[in-house]
Amino acid sequence: QKEVEQNSGPLSVPEGAIASLNCTYSDRGSQSFFWYRQYSGKSPELIMFIYSNGDKEDGRFTAQLNKASQYVSLLIRDSQPSDSATYLCAVPTGANNLFFGTGTRLTVIP
Amino acid sequence: ETGVTQTPRHLVMGMTNKKSLKCEQHLGHNAMYWYKQSAKKPLELMFVYNFKEQTENNSVPSRFSPECPNSSHLFLHLHTLQPEDSALYLCASSQGSGSLYEQYFGPGTRLTVT
Repeated sequence: QKEVEQNSGPLSVPEGAIASLNCTYSDRGSQSFFWYRQYSGKSPELIMFIYSNGDKEDGRFTAQLNKASQYVSLLIRDSQPSDSATYLCAVPTGANNLFFGTGTRLTVIP
Repeated sequence: ETGVTQTPRHLVMGMTNKKSLKCEQHLGHNAMYWYKQSAKKPLELMFVYNFKEQTENNSVPSRFSPECPNSSHLFLHLHTLQPEDSALYLCASSQGSGSLYEQYFGPGTRLTVT
């Protein structure tokens, strides 16, 4: 089983809609979870991190963590064309290893 | 300069060349990382340095040789590479190397091996 799994997409949503991105992980001991956004040709940019079960909101972004089910999701409200990018889920495993998923490509249609 | 910088941004090298990638972080962080990003594959962690000491080497071939002279600078020395080593090489840094620290990435070096 892969350490981190994401649906590669592409996921297309109309402008103004809610985009929902999901990630599952295999290491039950993982304590922290990160969402990165990567525009085409650019490096990953951290947008959210979450440590506790439940929801964490930051502007239009909400991260949701369910440790019992081993999934973490990212909701983007009022999606904008500028949100079109690949979203990477990252989960630390062990002391130094950070495993990334393959990413979900999101396209917001004007 | 702010954040994490990398040079060069693009590099084309033959299989017999020797070249080096440079990374510098201006964030006062203590940990630095090298990642490889190939098309259609997840980011692969290559090396981790914490306070200049290498703490992780994820079975990387010896044709990649890292060097960390201080907490702000990280190099990746390349020699006798293969075409399959063509990829985007990303440097990152974090306050510490534990699982609770978020990593900040540089812009990357796009490497092409001919």
